[in-house]
Amino acid sequence: DIQMTQSPSSLSVSLGDRVTITCRTSQSINNYLNWYQQKLGKAPKLLIYAASNLQTGVPSRFSGGGSGTDFTLTITSLQPEDIATYYCHQSYSTPLTFGGGTRLEIK
Amino acid sequence: QVQLVQSGPEVKKPGASVKVSCKASGYNFIAYYIHWVRQAPGQGLEWMGRINPENDATTYVEKFQGRVTLTRDTPSSTVYMELTHLQSDDSALYFCARGNDFRNYEFDSWGQGTLVTVSS
Repeated sequence: DIQMTQSPSSLSVSLGDRVTITCRTSQSINNYLNWYQQKLGKAPKLLIYAASNLQTGVPSRFSGGGSGTDFTLTITSLQPEDIATYYCHQSYSTPLTFGGGTRLEIK
Repeated sequence: QVQLVQSGPEVKKPGASVKVSCKASGYNFIAYYIHWVRQAPGQGLEWMGRINPENDATTYVEKFQGRVTLTRDTPSSTVYMELTHLQSDDSALYFCARGNDFRNYEFDSWGQGTLVTVSS
């Protein structure tokens, strides 16, 4: 199984901050890496697919990068509605796996 | 627009079974896999398995082999997830999600979630 190591697990942030979350996989997954945003009690929402492609309707302050085993999600100029938990997800091989999540909190 | 609508919350006793439905609309039902993901209280996301609605082929996580069954009803565009021999640690929010095999196999639409509570 492909292990996903996401960091940090939580982050205290201020509005307007630039935020970077990293995801490392236990083996190369090319660019089969996706990012989701989840707000409390709600279903996850797709932000980024194929490592760096912005899902339709997602604000351009979100961006993704990386390939192989190391990936990043960046939020430039954090907005109040971005306070949520973020998950990376590998769709390279079954069993499909998720990172442990990164919870953003306001300082 | 693409929509996945799940059935309502369930409360079950240990040892019982639960069957959750996921009704799809707004797209060609047989063209996309449906996946199931669960989330225990305060925990992360856990993939359980998937079904190909075109041919009924399924893939399950080894952890759930023998306890989970995914089925589909094509005329109603509905997928079902049945989990048997429930224990307290099966209490979770269960989501269905559409897998986009035309791109990166990402989950591009999700159901609203179904809360399953296992308690004596």
